[in-house]
Amino acid sequence: EDQVTQSPEALRLQEGESSSLNCSYTVSGLRGLFWYRQDPGKGPEFLFTLYSAGEEKEKERLKATLTKKESFLHITAPKPEDSATYLCAVSTDSWGKFQFGAGTQVVVTP
Amino acid sequence: DADVTQTPRNRITKTGKRIMLECSQTKGHDRMYWYRQDPGLGLRLIYYSFDVKDINKGEISDGYSVSRQAQAKFSLSLESAIPNQTALYFCATSDPQGGGNQPQHFGDGTRLSIL
Repeated sequence: EDQVTQSPEALRLQEGESSSLNCSYTVSGLRGLFWYRQDPGKGPEFLFTLYSAGEEKEKERLKATLTKKESFLHITAPKPEDSATYLCAVSTDSWGKFQFGAGTQVVVTP
Repeated sequence: DADVTQTPRNRITKTGKRIMLECSQTKGHDRMYWYRQDPGLGLRLIYYSFDVKDINKGEISDGYSVSRQAQAKFSLSLESAIPNQTALYFCATSDPQGGGNQPQHFGDGTRLSIL
Protein backbone atom coordinates (compact mmCIF):
# COMPACT_ATOMS: atom_id res chain seq x y z
CA GLU A 1 0.00 0.00 0.00
CA ASP A 2 1.27 3.48 -0.90
CA GLN A 3 2.39 5.50 2.09
CA VAL A 4 3.61 9.06 2.64
CA THR A 5 5.14 10.02 5.98
CA GLN A 6 6.30 13.48 7.03
CA SER A 7 8.64 14.27 9.89
CA PRO A 8 8.85 15.93 12.26
CA GLU A 9 5.20 16.66 13.03
CA ALA A 10 6.15 20.07 14.39
CA LEU A 11 9.26 22.23 14.27
CA ARG A 12 10.03 25.37 16.20
CA LEU A 13 12.89 27.52 14.86
CA GLN A 14 14.57 30.73 15.78
CA GLU A 15 14.71 33.29 12.99
CA GLY A 16 17.80 32.52 10.92
CA GLU A 17 18.10 28.92 12.16
CA SER A 18 18.14 26.69 9.06
CA SER A 19 16.52 23.26 9.13
CA SER A 20 15.05 20.50 6.95
CA LEU A 21 11.67 18.77 6.72
CA ASN A 22 11.41 15.18 5.54
CA CYS A 23 8.84 13.45 3.35
CA SER A 24 9.43 9.72 2.94
CA TYR A 25 7.33 7.63 0.58
CA THR A 26 6.76 4.02 -0.33
CA VAL A 27 4.90 3.98 -3.61
CA SER A 28 5.10 2.20 -6.91
CA GLY A 29 5.68 4.32 -9.97
CA LEU A 30 6.18 7.87 -8.72
CA ARG A 31 4.90 10.39 -11.25
CA GLY A 32 5.54 13.44 -9.18
CA LEU A 33 6.19 14.67 -5.63
CA PHE A 34 4.59 17.95 -4.66
CA TRP A 35 5.26 20.39 -1.82
CA TYR A 36 2.61 22.75 -0.52
CA ARG A 37 2.45 25.47 2.11
CA GLN A 38 -0.74 25.89 4.14
CA ASP A 39 -1.51 28.91 6.31
CA PRO A 40 -4.26 28.82 8.97
CA GLY A 41 -7.68 29.28 7.42
CA LYS A 42 -6.35 28.85 3.89
CA GLY A 43 -6.07 26.10 1.34
CA PRO A 44 -2.73 24.52 0.44
CA GLU A 45 -0.59 26.71 -1.81
CA PHE A 46 1.56 24.95 -4.40
CA LEU A 47 5.34 25.35 -4.00
CA PHE A 48 7.24 22.75 -6.04
CA THR A 49 6.97 19.64 -8.17
CA LEU A 50 9.83 17.12 -8.32
CA TYR A 51 9.78 14.33 -10.88
CA SER A 52 12.95 12.28 -10.58
CA ALA A 53 15.69 11.42 -8.10
CA GLY A 54 18.41 14.05 -7.99
CA GLU A 55 16.11 16.88 -8.97
CA GLU A 56 16.18 20.12 -6.96
CA LYS A 57 13.95 23.19 -6.98
CA GLU A 58 14.42 26.52 -5.17
CA LYS A 59 12.22 29.44 -4.26
CA GLU A 60 13.48 32.20 -2.00
CA ARG A 61 14.54 30.51 1.28
CA LEU A 62 13.10 27.11 0.32
CA LYS A 63 14.86 24.32 -1.51
CA ALA A 64 13.31 20.94 -2.28
CA THR A 65 15.29 17.83 -3.14
CA LEU A 66 14.27 14.30 -4.15
CA THR A 67 15.80 10.84 -3.77
CA LYS A 68 14.27 7.47 -4.62
CA LYS A 69 12.76 7.15 -1.16
CA GLU A 70 12.33 10.63 0.25
CA SER A 71 12.22 14.35 -0.31
CA PHE A 72 13.59 17.14 1.82
CA LEU A 73 12.40 20.70 2.11
CA HIS A 74 15.29 22.83 3.33
CA ILE A 75 14.48 26.18 4.91
CA THR A 76 17.52 28.46 4.91
CA ALA A 77 17.67 31.39 7.36
CA PRO A 78 13.92 31.30 7.98
CA LYS A 79 11.86 34.35 8.82
CA PRO A 80 8.65 34.51 10.88
CA GLU A 81 6.64 34.72 7.66
CA ASP A 82 7.83 31.19 6.81
CA SER A 83 5.66 29.91 9.66
CA ALA A 84 3.09 27.53 8.15
CA THR A 85 2.25 23.87 7.76
CA TYR A 86 4.18 22.25 4.92
CA LEU A 87 2.53 19.34 3.12
CA CYS A 88 3.97 16.87 0.68
CA ALA A 89 1.97 14.72 -1.73
CA VAL A 90 2.76 12.05 -4.29
CA SER A 91 1.08 11.17 -7.56
CA THR A 92 1.40 7.60 -8.82
CA ASP A 93 -1.15 7.31 -11.62
CA SER A 94 -2.15 9.14 -14.78
CA TRP A 95 -5.42 10.30 -13.18
CA GLY A 96 -3.69 12.90 -11.09
CA LYS A 97 -4.80 11.52 -7.73
CA PHE A 98 -2.60 12.56 -4.84
CA GLN A 99 -1.73 10.92 -1.57
CA PHE A 100 -0.81 13.46 1.10
CA GLY A 101 1.37 13.26 4.16
CA ALA A 102 0.02 14.64 7.44
CA GLY A 103 2.23 17.74 7.27
CA THR A 104 4.91 19.46 9.32
CA GLN A 105 3.89 22.54 11.29
CA VAL A 106 6.73 25.08 11.32
CA VAL A 107 6.85 28.02 13.72
CA VAL A 108 9.63 30.60 13.30
CA THR A 109 10.10 32.97 16.21
CA PRO A 110 11.88 36.37 16.00
CA ASP B 1 -10.67 37.00 -7.49
CA ALA B 2 -9.77 33.52 -6.33
CA ASP B 3 -9.30 30.87 -9.03
CA VAL B 4 -11.05 28.22 -6.91
CA THR B 5 -13.97 29.46 -4.80
CA GLN B 6 -15.70 27.46 -2.11
CA THR B 7 -18.99 28.34 -0.43
CA PRO B 8 -19.86 28.55 2.35
CA ARG B 9 -16.60 29.22 4.21
CA ASN B 10 -18.08 28.13 7.51
CA ARG B 11 -21.14 26.07 8.36
CA ILE B 12 -22.58 24.77 11.60
CA THR B 13 -25.44 22.33 11.36
CA LYS B 14 -27.16 19.51 13.21
CA THR B 15 -26.96 15.75 12.92
CA GLY B 16 -29.26 14.38 10.22
CA LYS B 17 -29.37 17.51 8.08
CA ARG B 18 -28.55 17.51 4.39
CA ILE B 19 -25.70 19.83 3.47
CA MET B 20 -24.25 20.95 0.17
CA LEU B 21 -20.80 22.46 -0.26
CA GLU B 22 -20.11 24.21 -3.53
CA CYS B 23 -16.98 24.75 -5.56
CA SER B 24 -16.47 26.83 -8.66
CA GLN B 25 -13.30 27.49 -10.63
CA THR B 26 -12.06 29.90 -13.26
CA LYS B 27 -8.86 28.01 -14.12
CA GLY B 28 -10.46 26.13 -17.01
CA HIS B 29 -9.31 22.78 -15.61
CA ASP B 30 -11.23 19.62 -16.38
CA ARG B 31 -10.18 17.74 -13.26
CA MET B 32 -11.76 18.54 -9.90
CA TYR B 33 -11.39 16.93 -6.50
CA TRP B 34 -12.96 17.01 -3.03
CA TYR B 35 -10.88 16.36 0.09
CA ARG B 36 -11.41 16.45 3.81
CA GLN B 37 -8.70 17.47 6.25
CA ASP B 38 -8.56 16.26 9.83
CA PRO B 39 -5.83 17.04 12.38
CA GLY B 40 -3.03 14.49 12.18
CA LEU B 41 -4.51 12.71 9.15
CA GLY B 42 -3.70 15.04 6.32
CA LEU B 43 -5.89 15.47 3.27
CA ARG B 44 -7.98 12.49 2.21
CA LEU B 45 -9.71 12.18 -1.16
CA ILE B 46 -13.51 11.89 -1.12
CA TYR B 47 -14.47 12.11 -4.83
CA TYR B 48 -12.88 13.21 -8.06
CA SER B 49 -14.16 14.08 -11.52
CA PHE B 50 -12.31 14.33 -14.82
CA ASP B 51 -15.15 15.87 -16.79
CA VAL B 52 -18.88 16.51 -16.50
CA LYS B 53 -19.74 12.89 -17.28
CA ASP B 54 -17.05 11.29 -15.14
CA ILE B 55 -17.36 10.87 -11.36
CA ASN B 56 -15.13 8.58 -9.28
CA LYS B 57 -15.03 7.57 -5.62
CA GLY B 58 -11.97 8.35 -3.56
CA GLU B 59 -10.75 6.57 -0.44
CA ILE B 60 -13.48 7.88 1.91
CA SER B 61 -16.66 8.34 -0.17
CA ASP B 62 -19.14 6.68 2.22
CA GLY B 63 -21.72 9.19 3.45
CA TYR B 64 -20.96 11.66 0.65
CA SER B 65 -22.20 12.31 -2.88
CA VAL B 66 -21.16 14.75 -5.58
CA SER B 67 -22.54 16.50 -8.62
CA ARG B 68 -20.56 17.97 -11.53
CA GLN B 69 -22.98 20.54 -12.90
CA ALA B 70 -20.55 22.05 -15.40
CA GLN B 71 -16.85 22.07 -16.14
CA ALA B 72 -16.44 24.86 -13.61
CA LYS B 73 -18.74 23.58 -10.83
CA PHE B 74 -18.40 20.59 -8.52
CA SER B 75 -20.63 20.17 -5.45
CA LEU B 76 -20.26 17.88 -2.45
CA SER B 77 -23.32 16.75 -0.48
CA LEU B 78 -23.69 15.11 2.90
CA GLU B 79 -27.06 13.40 2.69
CA SER B 80 -27.53 12.96 6.43
CA ALA B 81 -24.74 14.64 8.37
CA ILE B 82 -23.13 12.95 11.37
CA PRO B 83 -20.71 14.44 13.93
CA ASN B 84 -17.64 12.54 12.65
CA GLN B 85 -18.01 14.40 9.36
CA THR B 86 -16.92 17.55 11.18
CA ALA B 87 -13.79 18.62 9.30
CA LEU B 88 -12.23 21.07 6.86
CA TYR B 89 -13.32 20.40 3.29
CA PHE B 90 -11.25 21.44 0.29
CA CYS B 91 -11.94 21.52 -3.40
CA ALA B 92 -9.05 21.34 -5.88
CA THR B 93 -8.51 21.42 -9.64
CA SER B 94 -5.75 20.25 -11.96
CA ASP B 95 -4.80 20.42 -15.61
CA PRO B 96 -5.05 16.98 -17.26
CA GLN B 97 -2.13 17.67 -19.61
CA GLY B 98 0.93 15.63 -18.70
CA GLY B 99 -0.94 12.82 -16.96
CA GLY B 100 -0.69 12.64 -13.20
CA ASN B 101 2.18 15.03 -12.78
CA GLN B 102 0.43 18.39 -12.66
CA PRO B 103 -0.09 20.21 -9.35
CA GLN B 104 -3.51 20.57 -7.85
CA HIS B 105 -4.80 24.05 -6.99
CA PHE B 106 -6.94 24.47 -3.90
CA GLY B 107 -9.73 26.67 -2.67
CA ASP B 108 -9.65 28.12 0.84
CA GLY B 109 -11.92 25.46 2.25
CA THR B 110 -15.17 25.09 4.15
CA ARG B 111 -15.05 24.57 7.90
CA LEU B 112 -17.98 22.27 8.69
CA SER B 113 -19.18 21.55 12.22
CA ILE B 114 -21.92 19.02 12.86
CA LEU B 115 -23.50 19.09 16.30
